[in-house]
Amino acid sequence: GQQLNQSPQSMFIQEGEDVSMNCTSSSIFNTWLWYKQDPGEGPVLLIALYKAGELTSNGRLTAQFGITRKDSFLNISASIPSDVGIYFCAGRHNYGQNFVFGPGTRLSVLP
Amino acid sequence: NAGVTQTPKFQVLKTGQSMTLQCAQDMNHEYMSWYRQDPGMGLRLIHYSVGAGITDQGEVPNGYNVSRSTTEDFPLRLLSAAPSQTSVYFCASSYQDRGAYEQYFGPGTRLTVT
Repeated sequence: GQQLNQSPQSMFIQEGEDVSMNCTSSSIFNTWLWYKQDPGEGPVLLIALYKAGELTSNGRLTAQFGITRKDSFLNISASIPSDVGIYFCAGRHNYGQNFVFGPGTRLSVLP
Repeated sequence: NAGVTQTPKFQVLKTGQSMTLQCAQDMNHEYMSWYRQDPGMGLRLIHYSVGAGITDQGEVPNGYNVSRSTTEDFPLRLLSAAPSQTSVYFCASSYQDRGAYEQYFGPGTRLTVT
């Protein structure tokens, strides 16, 4: 089935640093969603993107819908310990309601 | 609003046993879905529903059945559990055809099949 790639697979950063991660696809999407998952919990929606080139912020988080419509980016500024978790991207084609999920980026924040 | 609720939170089954994972939402969402999450992999769609009485298969439907008799509830049935079905199961819901596709997830059911 359709695959999304997320990079990096995992990252270790110092508290206070900025973080960048991305999600790429071989096909075009019309919607991108970014989620964060804490251990033992369900994914929590962070940001939704609906237009190519769109840049949307949610507090210290900023996500962009790539111009090619085959990628999306998530940035976290001034990371804090509670940013630890797995970040998933999900893409939706212009037909149907279903999303394809990436394998996730595992973020660790060192004090 | 409670959002999306799932029961049970944990379950251990023996091979061949059957069980139903419950999912309910109180947001009046038309679309509901079931995913499984395995280590190192993203969420994979099992079944979904775009409204009461309508269900369809996702990417990995084998071994699972669903029904949607009400807008609120979307149970997932394992008819004869297999060790390959050991996973974490998430239910999600969203509006349908309103231009907003954000899916909201439940807390998950952690299933072990021995």
